[in-house]
Amino acid sequence: GNSVTQMEGPVTLSEEAFLTINCTYTATGYPSLFWYVQYPGEGLQLLLKATKADDKGSNKGFEATYRKETTSFHLEKGSVQVSDSAVYFCALSRQGAQKLVFGQGTRLTINP
Amino acid sequence: DTAVSQTPKYLVTQMGNDKSIKCEQNLGHDTMYWYKQDSKKFLKIMFSYNNKELIINETVPNRFSPKSPDKAHLNLHINSLELGDSAVYFCASRSTGTGEAFFGQGTRLTVV
Repeated sequence: GNSVTQMEGPVTLSEEAFLTINCTYTATGYPSLFWYVQYPGEGLQLLLKATKADDKGSNKGFEATYRKETTSFHLEKGSVQVSDSAVYFCALSRQGAQKLVFGQGTRLTINP
Repeated sequence: DTAVSQTPKYLVTQMGNDKSIKCEQNLGHDTMYWYKQDSKKFLKIMFSYNNKELIINETVPNRFSPKSPDKAHLNLHINSLELGDSAVYFCASRSTGTGEAFFGQGTRLTVV
């Protein structure tokens, strides 16, 4: 079946550090890939997405590239801020499929 | 205007009670979901509806019964509440075109 695996958290960094959160997936066909962010006390919101191989999604300084050869969609940011502290979820959806499959989430804490 | 709204935001109740959570979306999406998020932030899909029709029922106890009176509403009724039902429940709707899911703010259910 389809699944998403994220790096274990929690992740704690200092402000302005470089961030990578790893995400790998298992799916048949060519899924769309997403990163969602959940700030404390809120629901999830879409951060970025990519719908085909080699696409790069980007938003708010975050980037992720759809790598079909390594079945990965790692999230990166060059310089994190305290306001980036949140839980990050990688997700996939197959074309035409009803289900949106989430990874287990990675809690990120940025210290000033 | 809130895209996906769910009520109540907090719900504290005793074991054995019956409760309902309501969800409404004003985005015109055909697909709606209920997810359960545990204390470790793991998101588990419970139900998915497409245009008022149940599509996904992920081995949820039959004490949980979703109801979709129209495609803008997906309510969740829970009978005979148990301690293990304590969690945050998220409603979401999804765009068929972009694949993006929009989440409500969540309902924190505490069973005592």
